[in-house]
Amino acid sequence: DAGITQSPRHKVTETGTPVTLRCHQTENHRYMYWYRQDPGHGLRLIHYSYGVKDTDKGEVSDGYSVSRSKTEDFLLTLESATSSQTSVYFCAIKQGSGTEAFFGQGTRLTVV
Amino acid sequence: DQQVKQNSPSLSVQEGRISILNCDYTNSMFDYFLWYKKYPAEGPTFLISISSIKDKNEDGRFTVFLNKSAKHLSLHIVPSQPGDSAVYFCAASARGQNFVFGPGTRLSVLP
Repeated sequence: DAGITQSPRHKVTETGTPVTLRCHQTENHRYMYWYRQDPGHGLRLIHYSYGVKDTDKGEVSDGYSVSRSKTEDFLLTLESATSSQTSVYFCAIKQGSGTEAFFGQGTRLTVV
Repeated sequence: DQQVKQNSPSLSVQEGRISILNCDYTNSMFDYFLWYKKYPAEGPTFLISISSIKDKNEDGRFTVFLNKSAKHLSLHIVPSQPGDSAVYFCAASARGQNFVFGPGTRLSVLP
């Protein structure tokens, strides 16, 4: 198993509240990613990081922000959660270009 | 507009037979392709990959075929086993950039 831990695994939150999801890796991989998985859409990229303090937007970044202050941690924040952000969120890590990505077990987020 | 398409949302196959999962892409710059398998309540796990310089890659029961002219790839599982029942995602990237995933195909292998 790739050393990726996502926390929390499940969360229910109310509309308008801030939420932070954490991804922690023990592999010292350079690249880290946040995806969301929704029926009919597969996995869509939210934000990604090339290294510490080096992040960029993905396909569906609106309403999300990220931070990477340490190589091992990549945080995803929903500043003000909306019902459309109810989803399963996956963190992934990758060593370099031309290699596969390894995924965490996911966080199921429900916004009510 | 989806750059990576998996037009079959689901597929059922008898145990021991071949499973063929298909994937089409539109971006001619894609040069690296992967297949992931996902069980419920788990993260996707990497299965097999192929670069555009090859047209076939094999790993045990899993073989991926790439037809660049048709912008099509397929995953063959032979023989299929009940434990192969999962959702399969096709993914592609161009020149080391981020992966683009298809919507997935749910494979059911019937005993």
